[in-house]
Amino acid sequence: KNQVEQSPQSLIILEGKNCTLQCNYTVSPFSNLRWYKQDTGRGPVSLTIMTFSENTKSNGRYTATLDADTKQSSLHITASQLSDSASYICVVNFGNEKLTFGTGTRLTIIP
Amino acid sequence: SAVISQKPSRDICQRGTSLTIQCQVDSQVTMMFWYRQQPGQSLTLIATANQGSEATYESGFVIDKFPISRPNLTFSTLTVSNMSPEDSSIYLCSTATSSGNTIYFGEGSWLTVV
Repeated sequence: KNQVEQSPQSLIILEGKNCTLQCNYTVSPFSNLRWYKQDTGRGPVSLTIMTFSENTKSNGRYTATLDADTKQSSLHITASQLSDSASYICVVNFGNEKLTFGTGTRLTIIP
Repeated sequence: SAVISQKPSRDICQRGTSLTIQCQVDSQVTMMFWYRQQPGQSLTLIATANQGSEATYESGFVIDKFPISRPNLTFSTLTVSNMSPEDSSIYLCSTATSSGNTIYFGEGSWLTVV
């Protein structure tokens, strides 16, 4: 069973709208949690990284939150753009740089 | 930051053949990793490439199928041996800073086995 679960699996929104992607994990303890953006056929690109003690981290229009008590994280995208169409992957670091990847949310922005 | 170059970026391979993927980093890095991402799936760690010693493979992956070389701190190769259509995937090389806080990925090598 994957220890990092993401929802929804896919999401379609209109350009300019906001959206929130969810990540639940069962790994404990963990070193840090990351969100990556992956365009089709390309390598993942880091958006945010949060340690256990951090609650929120922003990177431009991307804001990630972390609730270590409930083992939940979210990625909020503000004022979406067509270029935001991609897969968004939640990744938990056990330590030793070994990463557990979520199954991703496929986001499609339509004009 | 580290820049990672992978070659080839894409290839179409015949069943039963082998293909070697190269990963070049623009700076010396301690840790290098190889991942596989099958269509519609999440990334799965194949192995940790160790400089000067044999790679450390994850459960379900073996050296005979995925031999890995790491001759120095900036370069590694992954060979996908005796390929079958099930090996059609994106293969990604990754590195981490010594603190592990920053992890970089290559652009990936997209293999299709026919």
